[in-house]
Amino acid sequence: EPEVTQTPSHQVTQMGQEVILRCVPISNHLYFYWYRQILGQKVEFLVSFYNNEISEKSEIFDDQFSVERPDGSNFTLKIRSTKLEDSAMYFCASSDGTGRLAFFGQGTRLTVV
Amino acid sequence: QKEVEQDPGPLSVPEGAIVSLNCTYSNSAFQYFMWYRQYSRKGPELLMYTYSSGNKEDGRFTAQVDKSSKYISLFIRDSQPSDSATYLCAMRYTNAGKSTFGDGTTLTVKP
Repeated sequence: EPEVTQTPSHQVTQMGQEVILRCVPISNHLYFYWYRQILGQKVEFLVSFYNNEISEKSEIFDDQFSVERPDGSNFTLKIRSTKLEDSAMYFCASSDGTGRLAFFGQGTRLTVV
Repeated sequence: QKEVEQDPGPLSVPEGAIVSLNCTYSNSAFQYFMWYRQYSRKGPELLMYTYSSGNKEDGRFTAQVDKSSKYISLFIRDSQPSDSATYLCAMRYTNAGKSTFGDGTTLTVKP
């Protein structure tokens, strides 16, 4: 079965540092997403990406966040200056646009200390 | 009022029981309805996907959508200990748009 791959599985960073979370979506998918889940809370939408541009973003996705698809296979989320409250599981997802084929990765657990 | 409200649980049932998981929503513009299963510290796994109102069955799982009542349900028949997980409802306005999730219901199926 195809899968979305995320690296690293766990990252610890100091407050104020930049982090890049990486994702390899499913190869024939066109729509890409980042979600986050703070421990014990619900999954929250951050941003969607289609045709090499952001198609939608939430109020969480402020100027500290950016996304990129640098080489046609990877999809990255950058947090420029991490805050304690950025500690969460970050999930990448990709879809072929039908919704029936929509997959989440296993997540990157980001811990900001 | 939250956009998506999910019965909070936790829910504990004996093996073989029928489980009913429910969500309500406030925005009638939602058209696509999903149920995900999430194991601890793992990514959500899509279980059921429904467009608009109606029922959909897949093995032991049945998803129901009642748009007039803004209410969706997931039924699990003959529940198994391996069904123990957190179940998330989610919904979207468009086919490829963002998903809005409920808080999740944690289910434990006891052998």
